[in-house]
Amino acid sequence: SAVISQKPSRDICQRGTSLTIQCQVDSQVTMMFWYRQQPGQSLTLIATANQGSEATYESGFVIDKFPISRPNLTFSTLTVSNMSPEDSSIYLCSAGGPKESGYTFGSGTRLTVV
Amino acid sequence: DQQVKQNSPSLSVQEGRISILNCDYTNSMFDYFLWYKKYPAEGPTFLISISSIKDKNEDGRFTVFLNKSAKHLSLHIVPSQPGDSAVYFCAASANFGNEKLTFGTGTRLTIIP
Repeated sequence: SAVISQKPSRDICQRGTSLTIQCQVDSQVTMMFWYRQQPGQSLTLIATANQGSEATYESGFVIDKFPISRPNLTFSTLTVSNMSPEDSSIYLCSAGGPKESGYTFGSGTRLTVV
Repeated sequence: DQQVKQNSPSLSVQEGRISILNCDYTNSMFDYFLWYKKYPAEGPTFLISISSIKDKNEDGRFTVFLNKSAKHLSLHIVPSQPGDSAVYFCAASANFGNEKLTFGTGTRLTIIP
């Protein structure tokens, strides 16, 4: 199964600023996914990123707030824009196929907005 | 609308005994189910999956049971070991796993030595 390197692992940011999170996969994958896990809650899908096309956003998430890039089959970024304390969460990327090996996740980015 | 539910936020089990984690779903389009384990400061790690064409899948100490009529699945860990202490998430997908994953809220499992 794919191995994903995600960075940064954590950051503390001022409100109104933006943070870009990067995920690098060790093999080519068709789909990458970005999730948010708010404190004490489940993983919520933000968007699906396919190479060469615009990301598909889930209800409640918009491109202006969470722009995503997918320049090739091994890399993606998620930007959290104009941050507020409500954006404090763990952000996770995921990739790979679901079948016997499941989707692989990055180690997550713990974001705190002050 | 929580389509995948894990009604037990926490569970404590004696080492060596069986741990049973439960998950219910409401969307009848779901036909592929996965369990993930998550340690603090790490991403979820895939454990085991099951397709709706089966009612049981086993991998070492981990067995997943699926009851389609009840829209219920469970993960059995036997024997439980201290390293199994983690948060466990069930997830569901449609189109035999080719659609997005919908996650439950997680169950924190603590194995008591």
